[in-house]
Amino acid sequence: SQELEQSPQSLIVQEGKNLTINCTSSKTLYGLYWYKQKYGEGLIFLMMLQKGGEEKSHEKITAKLDEKKQQSSLHITASQPSHAGIYLCGADRLETSGSRLTFGEGTQLTVNP
Amino acid sequence: SAVISQKPSRDICQRGTSLTIQCQVDSQVTMMFWYRQQPGQSLTLIATANQGSEATYESGFVIDKFPISRPNLTFSTLTVSNMSPEDSSIYLCSVSVNYGYTFGSGTRLTVV
Repeated sequence: SQELEQSPQSLIVQEGKNLTINCTSSKTLYGLYWYKQKYGEGLIFLMMLQKGGEEKSHEKITAKLDEKKQQSSLHITASQPSHAGIYLCGADRLETSGSRLTFGEGTQLTVNP
Repeated sequence: SAVISQKPSRDICQRGTSLTIQCQVDSQVTMMFWYRQQPGQSLTLIATANQGSEATYESGFVIDKFPISRPNLTFSTLTVSNMSPEDSSIYLCSVSVNYGYTFGSGTRLTVV
């Protein structure tokens, strides 16, 4: 079963608008990661959240992890065409042999000029 | 942070053939990961590769189809064997670093 539910699946906004992408887990998150992917390319690391209630910002992007550590949101302020791409949330999954990253389904963001 | 060089960046292959993808890391890392991203979908973990031991495969992936080598702490290969059009995907390697995970630039594979 899918451990991470990401919403919305796709989002089209006008340049300058704010937007929010959500990532929800049925289990407590030990580490929550946000990545951006341009079409057909590798992943660009955005932010990592570990503590309940944690919030991090970089330029116009803010990510939060709720107190229960089961939901995260990614907020973009005053979106620009350069923000377009696929946003992926990933969660650390702890195994006996170590941790590995599993991903949500991704959100396709289009920003129209 | 670690920098990963992944190659080839893309390839078009005939069905029934095999392709080996390489990932070189600029520092020693314990764990390397291989992912598949099918068209329009998210990343799915194929296997975890530790140096000196056999790779650990996720459910739905088998060693005969995706053999992995990990000869040292900076290098790994993934082979996609006996390819079919359903194997057309982006394949990415990843390593665990201090702040989380970093990824190679991906290999876009098209099987015709």
